Amino acid sequence: NAGVMQNPRHLVRRRGQEARLRCSPVKGHSHVYWYRQLPEEGLKFMVYLQKENIIDESGMPKERFSAEFPKEGPSILRIQQVVRGDSAAYFCASSPGTDYANVLTFGAGSRLTVL
Amino acid sequence: DQQVKQNSPSLSVQEGRISILNCDYTNSMFDYFLWYKKYPAEGPTFLISISSIKDKNEDGRFTVFLNKSAKHLSLHIVPSQPGDSAVYFCAASDYLYGGATNKLIFGTGTLLAVQP
Repeated sequence: NAGVMQNPRHLVRRRGQEARLRCSPVKGHSHVYWYRQLPEEGLKFMVYLQKENIIDESGMPKERFSAEFPKEGPSILRIQQVVRGDSAAYFCASSPGTDYANVLTFGAGSRLTVL
Repeated sequence: DQQVKQNSPSLSVQEGRISILNCDYTNSMFDYFLWYKKYPAEGPTFLISISSIKDKNEDGRFTVFLNKSAKHLSLHIVPSQPGDSAVYFCAASDYLYGGATNKLIFGTGTLLAVQP
């Protein structure tokens, strides 16, 4: 049973380009969370999605960032017009539901480097 | 606004000794606490958790202690092994008060090095 799969593992973009990060949750999990880890910092919550719904996007930058979790296919984190400050590791996590004490299962992350 | 704080960026212990990692939080609405372990180039993996109604939870070599009045929790690893060398993140959830989601707030992590 595969865990959370993220791709690409490494992505290099030039300033102004777009970055798309994909996340396939654990089979049977319908809840996805995206986190960002900047250098020398902890993981910062970005967004929480269920299938076709954004539940909490309180951690998302107001501009250039968007996320979706369609009915079919992986969750996508999209960063438009990337800047150097977007260079970070982006982690996706999933859970089967919202029961108390559910443990989030994390993927290995996607490392974005903006030149 | 750092709601979960790990004030020690790093910790070094000898193999076989006890490792104690500390974590403080500011939000009294947090009701569930977790420790995750992270190796380089990998995602965090769940280690152990504790509910706010308990003050101790044990799983093999790992024990988590919660002091709600001090808003402090700690992770004890005994005996420490070289394979325990990793970054340890403390995380908290306000499940009952925060809309019944499993969203976690993480600390900045502590790098544990266990010397053979």
